[in-house]
Amino acid sequence: NAGVTQTPKFQVLKTGQSMTLQCAQDMNHEYMSWYRQDPGMGLRLIHYSVGAGITDQGEVPNGYNVSRSTTEDFPLRLLSAAPSQTSVYFCASTGTSGGAVAGELFFGEGSRLTVL
Amino acid sequence: GNSVTQMEGPVTLSEEAFLTINCTYTATGYPSLFWYVQYPGEGLQLLLKATKADDKGSNKGFEATYRKETTSFHLEKGSVQVSDSAVYFCALRLYNFNKFYFGSGTKLNVKP
Repeated sequence: NAGVTQTPKFQVLKTGQSMTLQCAQDMNHEYMSWYRQDPGMGLRLIHYSVGAGITDQGEVPNGYNVSRSTTEDFPLRLLSAAPSQTSVYFCASTGTSGGAVAGELFFGEGSRLTVL
Repeated sequence: GNSVTQMEGPVTLSEEAFLTINCTYTATGYPSLFWYVQYPGEGLQLLLKATKADDKGSNKGFEATYRKETTSFHLEKGSVQVSDSAVYFCALRLYNFNKFYFGSGTKLNVKP
């Protein structure tokens, strides 16, 4: 079972460059989300989606863009990378109906981004 | 509001010691409660969960009981191993809303 797959695992960017972090899940989950994890800051929600065509902002959305054209994929775009976006990014998903309404988030392995 | 508070770390223990990591929560609805573990360089993995009051979640020797009266979900293990060294996150999910709340994480160091 693949679960939640993130690519790339590591990326180095220069300030001002743009890039997309990919996230795919094969569990038919309606809910998908992106978090960033910084030392001493825990997890902070960037954006989330409750279904194809529906996205919403989380706690720290500035500088990031998302779209949800399919149930499986939820890419995160950095429009113009800044050193403050150096972080580890996690994609996570879960079901929102039936027995899954009380269930856990499933996390990807993370993408470590460095912006120089 | 909704939030999760867990004890600050790092927590340093000797192998075979008893572990408790405290977690308390505030919630406007009826939450599910979770403990996640993050090993160095890896993502978060579900360790255990409880979906209603008085439920006990358990896995790999870890246990936590959903206490509605004290709004707590403390993580315990009777005898820790060096391999348990990791960061532990307490989290809640509100049933009626697709929202998750995480604690700040507690780093556990187990020395041989």
